[in-house]
Amino acid sequence: DTEVTQTPKHLVMGMTNKKSLKCEQHMGHRAMYWYKQKAKKPPELMFVYSYEKLSINESVPSRFSPECPNSSLLNLHLHALQPEDSALYLCASSQVALGLADYEQYFGPGTRLTVT
Amino acid sequence: AQSVTQLDSHVSVSEGTPVLLRCNYSSSYSPSLFWYVQHPNKGLQLLLKYTSAATLVKGINGFEAEFKKSETSFHLTKPSAHMSDAAEYFCVVKGTARQLTFGSGTQLTVLP
Repeated sequence: DTEVTQTPKHLVMGMTNKKSLKCEQHMGHRAMYWYKQKAKKPPELMFVYSYEKLSINESVPSRFSPECPNSSLLNLHLHALQPEDSALYLCASSQVALGLADYEQYFGPGTRLTVT
Repeated sequence: AQSVTQLDSHVSVSEGTPVLLRCNYSSSYSPSLFWYVQHPNKGLQLLLKYTSAATLVKGINGFEAEFKKSETSFHLTKPSAHMSDAAEYFCVVKGTARQLTFGSGTQLTVLP
């Protein structure tokens, strides 16, 4: 099973709302990622978790708050977003690279977020 | 540091004809390279990966890519395009700390 699931598929929220995006994988991967993708652009890395600890934060505004409650789940909490935050949010997972080993990332289908 | 250049933003082919999507990379060490495909409003699906084993890499759905170190290229090919191949394709190089560097993407159109 190489599936990463994400909920919801679509989300419309106002600028004062609080919402959460959820991501789940059961491949035993210990690295999980959040990406943001604008239309006609490649994905941009937001956060990386390794063994449930935040290891990379790509200078993302604090209105995005990630959480990794266990090795299978990854959340992205949203608060006071701006219209320019509207995008496709992708979750991915991979094995953790040790030494020279290198592992591919598996992506979920994404959550299409619209901020009004 | 590493970078990826996808040489064509759009490629259009007729169904049944060969596909060539071009990718050049820059890396200060032996890279890991990937091709991902993204259909409209979908996530990214891994087509194939190169991780310093065989230079000719076979992937899913009849795609393959050849790693050419002398040319710093990793072009994606398929002998015969199918309508279902129409999508956005990303060439990706793996850097340190598990970070991926994406090319800007190539939109493949398949004409009937």
